[in-house]
Formats: sequence, C-alpha cells, structure tokens
Amino acid sequence: AQTVTQSQPEMSVQEAETVTLSCTYDTSESDYYLFWYKQPPSRQMILVIRQEAYKQQNATENRFSVNFQKAAKSFSLKISDSQLGDAAMYFCAYRRSSNYKLTFGKGTLLTVNP
Amino acid sequence: EAQVTQNPRYLITVTGKKLTVTCSQNMNHEYMSWYRQDPGLGLRQIYYSMNVEVTDKGDVPEGYKVSRKEKRNFPLILESPSPNQTSLYFCASSLHSGRISGANVLTFGAGSRLTVL
Repeated sequence: AQTVTQSQPEMSVQEAETVTLSCTYDTSESDYYLFWYKQPPSRQMILVIRQEAYKQQNATENRFSVNFQKAAKSFSLKISDSQLGDAAMYFCAYRRSSNYKLTFGKGTLLTVNP
Repeated sequence: EAQVTQNPRYLITVTGKKLTVTCSQNMNHEYMSWYRQDPGLGLRQIYYSMNVEVTDKGDVPEGYKVSRKEKRNFPLILESPSPNQTSLYFCASSLHSGRISGANVLTFGAGSRLTVL
C-alpha cells in the first residue's frame, strides 16, 4: 500500500522568507501524481501544485515550487516570499495513475510570523 | 460557479440517530468520493463512485453507506452513528471521461463537521 509521510508536524517562517515543507512517499508504481494541498482555517482544501512522476522538470506555481526526487521518493514544497495568507495546514498527497484516490500525509501546520 | 456543495456544514447528533450528509456537484463530474479528516491522520477515503449506480469502498468504509442514483448527488449515510465517527467530512468530485486522466484533479467541498455524542 502507498504511504505518504510528512515528518514536520509544524513549521514556522518569517514573512517574506522562504520555507520548505518535506514529504516522502512509498510506492512500487512508476506512474503516479503528487500534490500539495493547502487547508486554511476555513477548512477548504485548495490545490497548490501538482507533479506528474514522468516529468523530470519540477513544477512551479508563482511563489510555490517543488523539489521532486523520484529515486529518493521525495516531494518537498518550497514557498518563497512567504505571506501571512500562506499560514495553513499543508497536505502532501499521492495518486496512482490508474485511479483518482488520493493518499494523504498527516499534514504540516505552517505559521507565518509578521 | 462550479462547486461541490455539502450539507449540513455543522451537525451535532447522538449515538444511533441516523443521519445523511448530502453532496452535490454542478460540474457534470462522473467521479465522486468521500473523505474523513481526523487530527494526526490526514484525510482518508471512505467511499467513491465512478459513475451513476457504481460505488466502491475506500480505506475506511465501516459504519458508512453511500448511494449514487443521480450523477450530481452522492450522499453519505450514517445508519447508526457512533462517537468514533466524529470527524470532518469532505466530498470531492472529478471529471472522468471514460478513462483515468492525469489532467483531472479533485474538486473538494467545503467540509462538514460532524460530532456524535
């Protein structure tokens, strides 16, 4: 079974600084997708970024980028120029290419200090 | 506005009193799914449906039922709720045009906070 591990229950960053959230996963599949979701206090699940395993290029969405290391099964999220609105719970998630089920990590609570 | 709508958003109930959490999407999505979120456990899939009249168990289906009689609706039924079903529930949907596509991502509802006393 696939597992997703987020080893940092909580992280904090100063406004305008950069922070990296860690995620590792375990799978025997070669074709899959990885995601980072943001859950602010409103509890809404918001897709931040996604990565296709077959793509070597790391995904980027504005201030959010990933470091995808397929051999190491690592998928970290880097937030640049952190803003107060980035404060949220962040979930890493895995999806096999053959279905739509997401397997989530336990989450990392990010605090942004002014 | 394209969205997944869940009701109720908040509910406090008592053990054994049947309840239904409704989920409706207006995007003509074939795939729908329910997740529960618990502190320290992330989100876990309860049930999913690939299309009308097609449902299957996820990772934590015990104590839940679902039905998919219409494409837009996917209610979650708790026949006899127990305190261990106190949780935050999410419904999600995705387009599925006959084959699994990596381009299709899940759209989540706003969540339903359920407390079973």
